[in-house]
Amino acid sequence: GDSVTQMEGPVTLSEEAFLTINCTYTATGYPSLFWYVQYPGEGLQLLLKATKADDKGSNKGFEATYRKETTSFHLEKGSVQVSDSAVYFCALSDRYTGANSKLTFGKGITLSVRP
Amino acid sequence: GAVVSQHPSRVICKSGTSVKIECRSLDFQATTMFWYRQFPKQSLMLMATSNEGSKATYEQGVEKDKFLINHASLTLSTLTVTSAHPEDSSFYICSATLVDTQYFGPGTRLTVL
Repeated sequence: GDSVTQMEGPVTLSEEAFLTINCTYTATGYPSLFWYVQYPGEGLQLLLKATKADDKGSNKGFEATYRKETTSFHLEKGSVQVSDSAVYFCALSDRYTGANSKLTFGKGITLSVRP
Repeated sequence: GAVVSQHPSRVICKSGTSVKIECRSLDFQATTMFWYRQFPKQSLMLMATSNEGSKATYEQGVEKDKFLINHASLTLSTLTVTSAHPEDSSFYICSATLVDTQYFGPGTRLTVL
């Protein structure tokens, strides 16, 4: 079945540091890929997505590129802020089942940014 | 756009009572909504898929008689935890699908005493 693997956490960075969070996936077919962010005590917010190979999703300074050859969707940000402290989830969905597509999540990784 | 709300955000109830949680898509119609459960410091566990006008599809191991799901309109799905017990205490999150993307509600913290 489909699966998503995220790097182990937690990750602690200083403000303005460069961020990379690794995500690789296993899927049959051509999934859509997502990064969601969860702030303490809240639900998940869509951060960015990509629906086909070589697509780059971007939002709020975060970027991720859909790499079919390496089955990866690594999240990057050039300069993190304290407000970026949260849990980040990588996820995929099977596009062929349309609106009923279930999300397969990675385990999530906690990012803490210190001033 | 694509805002999903949940009500209540927090609920405390006594063991044996039932609790209803509402999930609404505020600015779009959603034929499909999902219900998840999240334990502390863990990822989300899918409980069921809710389709408007039809019975929900439950994941393996989820008791359908305990977690009643109703999706009566294109903007509202409800989850009722029946005869709640302390082990049902958790963070419940819903999502609604717009095209190919799930948008999540803010979650409901259920505490059963």
